[in-house]
Amino acid sequence: GEDVEQSLFLSVREGDSSVINCTYTDSSSTYLYWYKQEPGAGLQLLTYIFSNMDMKQDQRLTVLLNKKDKHLSLRIADTQTGDSAIYFCAEIPGSQGNLIFGKGTKLSVKP
Amino acid sequence: DAGVIQSPRHEVTEMGQEVTLRCKPISGHNSLFWYRQTMMRGLELLIYFNNNVPIDDSGMPEDRFSAKMPNASFSTLKIQPSEPRDSAVYFCASSLQGAEDEQFFGPGTRLTVL
Repeated sequence: GEDVEQSLFLSVREGDSSVINCTYTDSSSTYLYWYKQEPGAGLQLLTYIFSNMDMKQDQRLTVLLNKKDKHLSLRIADTQTGDSAIYFCAEIPGSQGNLIFGKGTKLSVKP
Repeated sequence: DAGVIQSPRHEVTEMGQEVTLRCKPISGHNSLFWYRQTMMRGLELLIYFNNNVPIDDSGMPEDRFSAKMPNASFSTLKIQPSEPRDSAVYFCASSLQGAEDEQFFGPGTRLTVL
């Protein structure tokens, strides 16, 4: 089946870097996404990467894609308390037209 | 634009009752998605509409669930009869066109079935 897997929890100190990891199963996924969910709210697209890229940087965010290992990571530099949220990795498998989400990684940032 | 609007924000009902969740997508968006979020199963797609037509309803749990999109600015998700295992947060999302485009999520409806 097509499962997107992430660790459930990550705790870091304010100012440190956070790295959230994800593995996916469908190598034909064209885009891979990171969505963020703040408490009591819906998801919000944070960033995405096209499958022919290895890396994408957007301010404090760096996305790394290793297609061989089907591994996606999100690095947040200089993590702030406002970054505390649940981060979802998502893909659109080639056999489907829909987003498949991981279960989410809850990031806790300690002052 | 106010974003995706969902109502009600919270719903508490008793087992066996009918529940109707409502969604107004962002104006101009052609695709609408209903998701269910639980601790155990995470975020699951229930159904996806494109230009008001259901494209994929394979995620709808069973016949107790039905969804409609009578026009481009309104959709409903109905559960009849409701069961305690339906308790979850239900999200509606919309995008310009399809799942690949950025999906904008509503605030969700927290449903509790007693």
